[in-house]
Amino acid sequence: AQTVTQSQPEMSVQEAETVTLSCTYDTSESNYYLFWYKQPPSRQMILVIRQEAYKQQNATENRFSVNFQKAAKSFSLKISDSQLGDTAMYFCAKETSGSRLTFGEGTQLTVNP
Amino acid sequence: EAGVAQSPRYKIIEKRQSVAFWCNPISGHATLYWYQQILGQGPKLLIQFQNNGVVDDSQLPKDRFSAERLKGVDSTLKIQPAKLEDSAVYLCASSILQRRIGAFFGQGTRLTVV
Repeated sequence: AQTVTQSQPEMSVQEAETVTLSCTYDTSESNYYLFWYKQPPSRQMILVIRQEAYKQQNATENRFSVNFQKAAKSFSLKISDSQLGDTAMYFCAKETSGSRLTFGEGTQLTVNP
Repeated sequence: EAGVAQSPRYKIIEKRQSVAFWCNPISGHATLYWYQQILGQGPKLLIQFQNNGVVDDSQLPKDRFSAERLKGVDSTLKIQPAKLEDSAVYLCASSILQRRIGAFFGQGTRLTVV
């Protein structure tokens, strides 16, 4: 079974600082897609950023960027200039063949004022 | 564009009762998913539809859970009879299979079985 592992159940950061959330995964595929989702208390999963495995360049979306290490099967999320609204549960997910998403267990991020 | 709609937002039932959840995906999205998210865990796929056909229901507890997607649009997930361990958030999501841009989620239904 394909697995996605997030080893940090909880993290906190001061407002305006930078934080990195870790994710590792297991796969035998050569091309696949990786995602980070944010889930605030409203429960709606919001797509933060997407990475295609065959692309060497790390994806960026405004304050969010990833460090994708394909050989190490590592996919970390960096949030720069953290804002109070970034407080949420963050899930790393891998898209399996057939477009099914396998999620990690999540990291609860708290941004402190 | 309207997002994925789910109802109800909350439901409390007694064990052994039945319950149904409804989902309306984003217009034009042929793929629809139902995920179960137990408190403190990541979502786990229950069933995936492509149009009105089932692609994957290997994790669906078929003795008590059922799902349908009539006409390839709306979908209903039913639990009958419910158990205490079914208490969770049930998330519906939709996507365009070929584009591989991830799935778009609804706000979910929080089910409490007492």
